[in-house]
Amino acid sequence: GEDVEQSLFLSVREGDSSVINCTYTDSSSTYLYWYKQEPGAGLQLLTYIFSNMDMKQDQRLTVLLNKKDKHLSLRIADTQTGDSAIYFCAENRGGSYIPTFGRGTSLIVHP
Amino acid sequence: DVKVTQSSRYLVKRTGEKVFLECVQDMDHENMFWYRQDPGLGLRLIYFSYDVKMKEKGDIPEGYSVSREKKERFSLILESASTNQTSMYLCASSLTDSTSYGYTFGSGTRLTVV
Repeated sequence: GEDVEQSLFLSVREGDSSVINCTYTDSSSTYLYWYKQEPGAGLQLLTYIFSNMDMKQDQRLTVLLNKKDKHLSLRIADTQTGDSAIYFCAENRGGSYIPTFGRGTSLIVHP
Repeated sequence: DVKVTQSSRYLVKRTGEKVFLECVQDMDHENMFWYRQDPGLGLRLIYFSYDVKMKEKGDIPEGYSVSREKKERFSLILESASTNQTSMYLCASSLTDSTSYGYTFGSGTRLTVV
C-alpha cells in the first residue's frame, strides 16, 4: 500500500466545515505537513505539526494528530470557494528532510 | 517575497528533443528538488540536490538528468524527450537547518511532448 494515504475527493457546501484525513506509516516521522495546490499553481505549505503535538490551530485551520493511529486531519472552518484546491498530506519519514507525499485530496466547495 | 522561479509555465517539445527545465531560488536554500505530478499519481521525486554539484536520484530518475552548478539554480534535463514525459514538473527548495524542513515550490512547468 501507499506510505501516505488520503481520499481523492471531498465535496462540501460553502460555509460548512471541511475535514481532510490522512494516514501515514512511519511512527518516527518528526513533522507532518499540509500543502495546498490551487489550480495551475505549485504547492504552498499551509501548515505543519511537530510529532509531539496533538493539535495545532491557525485561524480557520485546525490540525489534529493521533500518533497511536498514525492519523492526521485538517479541518477548515467556514469553508469558502477560495478553499477549493488539492490538499496534500506529507510526512518526513525517519526525520528525513525529504517529505513523502500523499496523492492529494481535491476539495470542491459548492454554493 | 521569497521565491522559487521556474523559467517556463508551458512548454511543447517534439519527441527526441533535448529539453532543459530551469529553476532558480533566492532564499539561499541548500536543498533543491524536482518532482513530476500526474493525475492520480501525486508527486514523484525525480532528483534532488543537497549542495552545489551534488545530486541524488529520487524515485523515478530514468530518462532524466540534473545539473547544479550554482547554489541558486537547479536544472532538469530530458536527454531525449518522450511522450510519456508529458507532465507537470515542479521544482522545490528547502533549508537543511530548519525547524520544519518545509518546502517552497515553484509554480510548475507543464511540459507536453508531441
